[in-house]
Amino acid sequence: QVQLVQSGAEVKKPGSSVKVSCKASGGTFSSYAISWVRQAPGQGLEWMGGIIPIFGTANYAQKFQGRVTITADESTSTAYMELSSLRSEDTAVYYCARDGYCSGGSCYSGYFDYWGQGTLVTVSS
Amino acid sequence: EIVLTQSPATLSLSPGERATLSCRASQSVSSYLAWYQQKPGQAPRLLIYDASNRATGIPARFSGSGSGTDFTLTISSLEPEDFAVYYCQQRSNWPPGMYTFGQGTKLEIK
Repeated sequence: QVQLVQSGAEVKKPGSSVKVSCKASGGTFSSYAISWVRQAPGQGLEWMGGIIPIFGTANYAQKFQGRVTITADESTSTAYMELSSLRSEDTAVYYCARDGYCSGGSCYSGYFDYWGQGTLVTVSS
Repeated sequence: EIVLTQSPATLSLSPGERATLSCRASQSVSSYLAWYQQKPGQAPRLLIYDASNRATGIPARFSGSGSGTDFTLTISSLEPEDFAVYYCQQRSNWPPGMYTFGQGTKLEIK
């Protein structure tokens, strides 16, 4: 059974950075992309970006370009999301999710079937 | 960026009734659309992929339809556990690897 376990809650000052980790187990880490999705309090889901560990290349949503860095360490099956220049509007639950739903011998990229438990990042002075 | 617009924002229905949720894309996403269910304090759960295919373990009362820019999620007969927030999400081929979610529809008990 695939599990994604994220690092714990963070409290950060405006202008600082935060780095959230997502450790995968129970599957082949390098074979799937990992995406990061955030959810501000009472708001909807927002895709931030993703990475394919085997290639090491990341895609980012335009809104977060220049401020987010997504990386992956194949040796530890862990993905990371670092967000810089934090502001109060970045207060949210950050989720990692496995990108690639597989069924009946076929796999479909772009759909998220396993999710981490979420990491609350609070930005406050 | 492809924008997904969901309607209505809130849908108030009773158990046993039929629910119809809509998702409209700002440009064609072919059939590359998913639906998720999210309950308070939980991560989203994949319900439907490629517009009309149920994910593993999803009850048959959930169905999806549509292609191009207009999509629908239908719950044929609401169970108490179906009251939640539902999101659509696109995975269009261009630009590759760039995804967006709709803003969500809250399905509440009337």
